[in-house]
Amino acid sequence: DAKTTQPTSMDCAEGRAANLPCNHSTISGNEYVYWYRQIHSQGPQYIIHGLKNNETNEMASLIITEDRKSSTLILPHATLRDTAVYYCIVRVSLETSGSRLTFGEGTQLTVNP
Amino acid sequence: EAEVAQSPRYKITEKSQAVAFWCDPISGHATLYWYRQILGQGPELLVQFQDESVVDDSQLPKDRFSAERLKGVDSTLKIQPAELGDSAMYLCASSLGSGTYNEQFFGPGTRLTVL
Repeated sequence: DAKTTQPTSMDCAEGRAANLPCNHSTISGNEYVYWYRQIHSQGPQYIIHGLKNNETNEMASLIITEDRKSSTLILPHATLRDTAVYYCIVRVSLETSGSRLTFGEGTQLTVNP
Repeated sequence: EAEVAQSPRYKITEKSQAVAFWCDPISGHATLYWYRQILGQGPELLVQFQDESVVDDSQLPKDRFSAERLKGVDSTLKIQPAELGDSAMYLCASSLGSGTYNEQFFGPGTRLTVL
């Protein structure tokens, strides 16, 4: 399984872009990068995923380096409600059932007023 | 918006007692997951169902934990007997299928405290 490395914590000013890095140097060619976040006392919430190309949705943008060994999640205009633990996950594929999510400890993002 | 439902939200029990958690996935979701999250750590998969069949229970402590999804819809996770180290958040998630493209939707979780 490809493992991920994320900073333990980050701070961001409200209204500014939050850039959350993730290293996944052992990722395989058919493994996707997923991002989830978990607001305090809630279940995790899907944000975005990608394979090779950069991706954007209504919540965030995902930038994956050309060698796929690292990625960055970008929240373009962070708000106080974006304060959460952000998990970068490389999705493991199981032979019989598809794939499971293996969570690390994530990055605690704190958005300050 | 459809959500994954879990009950109870909080459970306090004494060690050696039996506890059970219930999960109702989003309608039409074939895959159901149970995760355990210890304070300060990320969620850890305990068991994954595809319809009514278990497809991954490699991390489930089978001497005390059991899970079922009899009709392929809602699911129950049971612990008997509970131990102090079982204190954690138990999260249920569901997805349309189990392939790489299917995002998982999580419920609010059940916070278990074992005294």
